Parts: sequence; C-alpha cells; structure tokens
Amino acid sequence: KAGVTQTPRYLIKTRGQQVTLSCSPISGHRSVSWYQQTPGQGLQFLFEYFSETQRNKGNFPGRFSGRQFSNSRSEMNVSTLELGDSALYLCASSLNFGTSGSPNTGELFFGEGSRLTVL
Amino acid sequence: AQSVTQLDSHVSVSEGTPVLLRCNYSSSYSPSLFWYVQHPNKGLQLLLKYTSAATLVKGINGFEAEFKKSETSFHLTKPSAHMSDAAEYFCVVSSPLDGNTPLVFGKGTRLSVIA
Repeated sequence: KAGVTQTPRYLIKTRGQQVTLSCSPISGHRSVSWYQQTPGQGLQFLFEYFSETQRNKGNFPGRFSGRQFSNSRSEMNVSTLELGDSALYLCASSLNFGTSGSPNTGELFFGEGSRLTVL
Repeated sequence: AQSVTQLDSHVSVSEGTPVLLRCNYSSSYSPSLFWYVQHPNKGLQLLLKYTSAATLVKGINGFEAEFKKSETSFHLTKPSAHMSDAAEYFCVVSSPLDGNTPLVFGKGTRLSVIA
C-alpha cells in the first residue's frame, strides 16, 4: 500500500512569490491534515480537510490556504511568501475526520514533507 | 483546552542503556495520548497510543509508555537503546470528547545514542 506522497520534496522561492504544495493520501483515507514544522515553533497545525471540506484551521494568516479534491488529494497554497515561511510542511492522512469516534483515533500517517526555503 | 510539555529538549544515552523521554499533559477531558518518532528528513511515524484501555502501552521497536493520570504523565521508555533509535520524538495529546479539535504536539525531544 503506497504511503502519503508529498510533492515537491524541496523548493526554493523568493519573498513575495507564492507556492503550491501537493499531498496524495493513502488510498481510502479521506482526511488530510497539514502541519508546519520549524526549529523554533515545532509542529504547528495548519488545517484539516475531510470530504473536500475544511473542518479545522490553525492560527495562521489568510496567506495560507488549502483545498481537497474529490479523490482526497489535497493542496496547500502560501501567497506573498515571507522569510519566516521557510519550513518543512508535512501532510498527514487518516481514515476518518478528526480524533473522535474512530478506532484509528489520532493515528496519522505522515508524508516525508516539502521543505520550503524562502530567500 | 489541552497542552503537552516534553520536559527535555535533548536526551543523550549510551547504546544498550535505558531510554526515558518525559511527557506531561493537560486536558479538560479524558485524553488520548500518542508518541510519534521522526527520523532525519522523514515524516513522523506512530510509535504507540493510549486510548483509555490498558495504562501500560506497548509500541513498536521495543518502546512502551505508561499513562499516569495522577501525575498527568505519559513517559516513553525503552530498556536498551539502539543506534537506530536516534531521532526526534513527539508526545501528542488529543481529547476525543472535546469536539474535533486537532492533535496538539509537544516541542519534541531529540534522542542521541552514543556508541
């Protein structure tokens, strides 16, 4: 069974540009979450999608957005990039939405991440 | 509201000696707790989880953790460290009864294993 696939793995952008990251979840998984990981702030939750609907959103500015397609693949977009957006962006998939009512409660399957460098 | 505190940012052990990574949590509801591991340039992998069944939870690669409600702790242990255990470890809390709030990750503990 293929794991979570994130593309691109590495990318370099300059301030003011925008970027789109892609995530393909494990087959059959309907929930996709995105996290930003930096040395200073650790892992921070960006948003979660289930059945093409955003169900939860973290405390990030509106420059960060995402969407989910009918095949559960997800994209996140960051516009007007800032130096502080340099980070590893991790995508995780799970069978069901959120953390309640599922035997797989809280079990996330992570991709290897997209490392974004903003110059 | 829920939070998690990993008490050590870095732990260093010799190969073959025990590992102890400490985690305290705070949760308004009965929590679910998890440990994830991240090897360099990789995503996170679930080590083990506690979801209100047995308080001593066994995970992969010989790791285990004990849920202690009175101490609000969920420390991760392993009897004998291997070089391959060197990685970043994250303690995670969720509250299944607190709506569908996202998981809360600790800041991580970097484990170094010395030959």
